[in-house]
Amino acid sequence: GAVVSQHPSRVICKSGTSVKIECRSLDFQATTMFWYRQFPKQSLMLMATSNEGSKATYEQGVEKDKFLINHASLTLSTLTVTSAHPEDSSFYICSARRQGSGSGNTIYFGEGSWLTVV
Amino acid sequence: SQQGEEDPQALSIQEGENATMNCSYKTSINNLQWYRQNSGRGLVHLILIRSNEREKHSGRLRVTLDTSKKSSSLLITASRAADTASYFCATLGGAQKLVFGQGTRLTINP
Repeated sequence: GAVVSQHPSRVICKSGTSVKIECRSLDFQATTMFWYRQFPKQSLMLMATSNEGSKATYEQGVEKDKFLINHASLTLSTLTVTSAHPEDSSFYICSARRQGSGSGNTIYFGEGSWLTVV
Repeated sequence: SQQGEEDPQALSIQEGENATMNCSYKTSINNLQWYRQNSGRGLVHLILIRSNEREKHSGRLRVTLDTSKKSSSLLITASRAADTASYFCATLGGAQKLVFGQGTRLTINP
């Protein structure tokens, strides 16, 4: 079946530095990917929709200059947390939409990336 | 943005009992999906129900959808300890993005 891979699964970075998280669709092309953030014991909050070859669409309240999203190819979207602070520590999950016929589009999720900012 | 509420927020039952979780949403939808998440892990897709469907079964799972009330329920029958997890509903609307509910933390006691 389709697989979406995220890397790294865990990362620790120093406050003030930037960290990049990758989301790859391994056996299908994804023109659209989504980035979510999840704080402990809370739900997934949609941050932005990543569109291949164009700018990402950010949800209200999400700082686009802080969370840089690049979707340069049909199989890769990256989320860069710039000038990270401890409050950015969270679980980040991506998903990719696989376009299909018949039953329509299917969305697949990555395994998530734990970010800890110290 | 969150789509709506799930209740209960937490549910603790004995192994073998049935677990029912409810989800309400606010906008019109194309479909509603239920996911499971073990602590600190990714999401596992459980079941999808389309807006023109009222009930769907998959193994020990039964999902209902009432679009007039904008609500859905997930029933897990004959629960097992391995069912312990958080369960989320998510709606897919016209914007083609999944929006998640608050989730229910389910604990199955052996």
